[in-house]
Amino acid sequence: GAGVSQSPSNKVTEKGKDVELRCDPISGHTALYWYRQSLGQGLEFLIYFQGNSAPDKSGLPSDRFSAERTGGSVSTLTIQRTQQEDSAVYLCASSPLGVVLQETQYFGPGTRLLVL
Amino acid sequence: AQKITQTQPGMFVQEKEAVTLDCTYDTSDQSYGLFWYKQPSSGEMIFLIYQGSYDEQNATEGRYSLNFQKARKSANLVISASQLGDSAMYFCAMREGSTGANSKLTFGKGITLSVRP
Repeated sequence: GAGVSQSPSNKVTEKGKDVELRCDPISGHTALYWYRQSLGQGLEFLIYFQGNSAPDKSGLPSDRFSAERTGGSVSTLTIQRTQQEDSAVYLCASSPLGVVLQETQYFGPGTRLLVL
Repeated sequence: AQKITQTQPGMFVQEKEAVTLDCTYDTSDQSYGLFWYKQPSSGEMIFLIYQGSYDEQNATEGRYSLNFQKARKSANLVISASQLGDSAMYFCAMREGSTGANSKLTFGKGITLSVRP
């Protein structure tokens, strides 16, 4: 079956502009995660969705970052007033339930964001 | 304090030999899970192997095995019979607890493995 998909694959924007990144999880997966991968920081957790609600938003770095999930499926990560330090690869992952310790998270190919 | 520590910046191994990639972790939870992922240059994260804190045996998946030493809080990945396609970045990650609120993975900074022909 289809894996996790993300769009766009690459995004170049100017400092101060807003961007939206999209994630399509594996069909039927209840849990959805956003991570950020940058050169200096490795992989950082941003936010976790269980269905349409987000029980853990602890990784969002500032109030410029927000995310939503609708219909228990597609999720959008929005970055407002982008800064150069937002440049990174944004990875989305999904898993069937989210509450099982040994559950594997399946990752999408990522969106590479460059803020000029 | 870092929850996942991967201190080897880069590793080299000869094709067909075995290699160990180190990972130490820090948690006060009794229930936790440890994961290894591979990230080739193409960028996708590929799940390799899982070890639960209560698992009595070391996990194995094909050429991958996990040397789990709970008292030392280490979970080293062993790759046997290295292949050229094993050249990639390898990440150790941990999920703490068994409830949905702790569902996120915490990753180490990764280790680059290069397999020489």
